[in-house]
Amino acid sequence: AQSVTQLDSQVPVFEEAPVELRCNYSSSVSVYLFWYVQYPNQGLQLLLKYLSGSTLVKGINGFEAEFNKSQTSFHLRKPSVHISDTAEYFCAVNGQGGKLIFGQGTELSVKP
Amino acid sequence: DAGVIQSPRHEVTEMGQEVTLRCKPISGHNSLFWYRQTMMRGLELLIYFNNNVPIDDSGMPEDRFSAKMPNASFSTLKIQPSEPRDSAVYFCASSLPYRLNPGELFFGEGSRLTVL
Repeated sequence: AQSVTQLDSQVPVFEEAPVELRCNYSSSVSVYLFWYVQYPNQGLQLLLKYLSGSTLVKGINGFEAEFNKSQTSFHLRKPSVHISDTAEYFCAVNGQGGKLIFGQGTELSVKP
Repeated sequence: DAGVIQSPRHEVTEMGQEVTLRCKPISGHNSLFWYRQTMMRGLELLIYFNNNVPIDDSGMPEDRFSAKMPNASFSTLKIQPSEPRDSAVYFCASSLPYRLNPGELFFGEGSRLTVL
């Protein structure tokens, strides 16, 4: 069965600093991986996705993630964060039948 | 283009009352998902539909919960009777056929339910 583990529940960081949000997955089938972002009082929206091909995936708002099959990881990175990046970030993996299995979320808090 | 529309945005009710949450998916999307979000359990998939047919309802907590999709543009999630532990934010999401755009779900803004 597929599962996702987000290793940090909260990540505080100062503005303009780099950030990495960690995600490990478990899957017995071909893997599709996703990062979603949830701003306060809103629904989730897709940041980026890995389906195949290049292991480095670029998404919106300057975020990128790297698929590492040997380490079963899909960490999200941004070289310089802004206050507006404060949000909750969810890693997800494809499940059977087109559903997504989400991790527990990582709360990114960017401080001035 | 309108996104996924959910109503009500907020609902406060008393234990034992019936609650109905509504969702209008994006036109042309053939998959619809109901998720529940709480601090304790995170995001849980309750049920999803393909072409208006329920495919997997294994996440529905118990018989008090039911979901319907009578047509491609409308779905409901009903809780009867409601209990305080049902308090959560309920999200509806829709997507294109999986083969066209795997894994990209479009979420509504959620319905925040408080059961007193």
